[in-house]
Amino acid sequence: AQTVTQSQPEMSVQEAETVTLSCTYDTSESNYYLFWYKQPPSRQMILVIRQEAYKQQNATENRFSVNFQKAAKSFSLKISDSQLGDTAMYFCAFMGLNRDDKIIFGKGTRLHILP
Amino acid sequence: ETGVTQSPTHLIKTRGQQVTLRCSSQSGHNTVSWYQQALGQGPQFIFQYYREEENGRGNFPPRFSGLQFPNYSSELNVNALELDDSALYLCASSSGLAGGDEQFFGPGTRLTVL
Repeated sequence: AQTVTQSQPEMSVQEAETVTLSCTYDTSESNYYLFWYKQPPSRQMILVIRQEAYKQQNATENRFSVNFQKAAKSFSLKISDSQLGDTAMYFCAFMGLNRDDKIIFGKGTRLHILP
Repeated sequence: ETGVTQSPTHLIKTRGQQVTLRCSSQSGHNTVSWYQQALGQGPQFIFQYYREEENGRGNFPPRFSGLQFPNYSSELNVNALELDDSALYLCASSSGLAGGDEQFFGPGTRLTVL
């Protein structure tokens, strides 16, 4: 069974700094999707970034980028020039490509951006 | 374009009661997934509906059931409520079943079971 582990329950950084959130996963599949979701204090979850495992290039969305290490089964999220609005819970998630596969979330990292 | 909406926002029930939660999917989406998010945890998949048929179920007992309607809105029903059912219930809609399809989440329903 697939698992997703986020080893940092909580982190705090100063505004404008760069922060990296860690995520490891376990799977026997060779192709899959990985996601980072953001859940701000108002609760509505939004997709931050998505990585397809068969693509070697790391995904990037503006200030958000990932470091995808397939062999190590590691998928970290880097937030550059952090902003107060980045304060949220961040969830790493895995999804296989089989029709019956459903998304599996980690337990999350609570990120505080300090003024 | 209307996003995913859920009702009610909050709900308080007592043990043994039944509850129905509602979700309206985003315009153009035919797939709805339901998740349970306990305090301090990540969301856990309950089940998914695709074009009114259940398409996969997580590790939840049969007292968790659902429906999807022709307009692709959905209901989650929980019978014989237990204290551990207290959680935030999220629904998410997507435009299909492809693994990479982005899921759009609603704001959730906070259920408290006393």
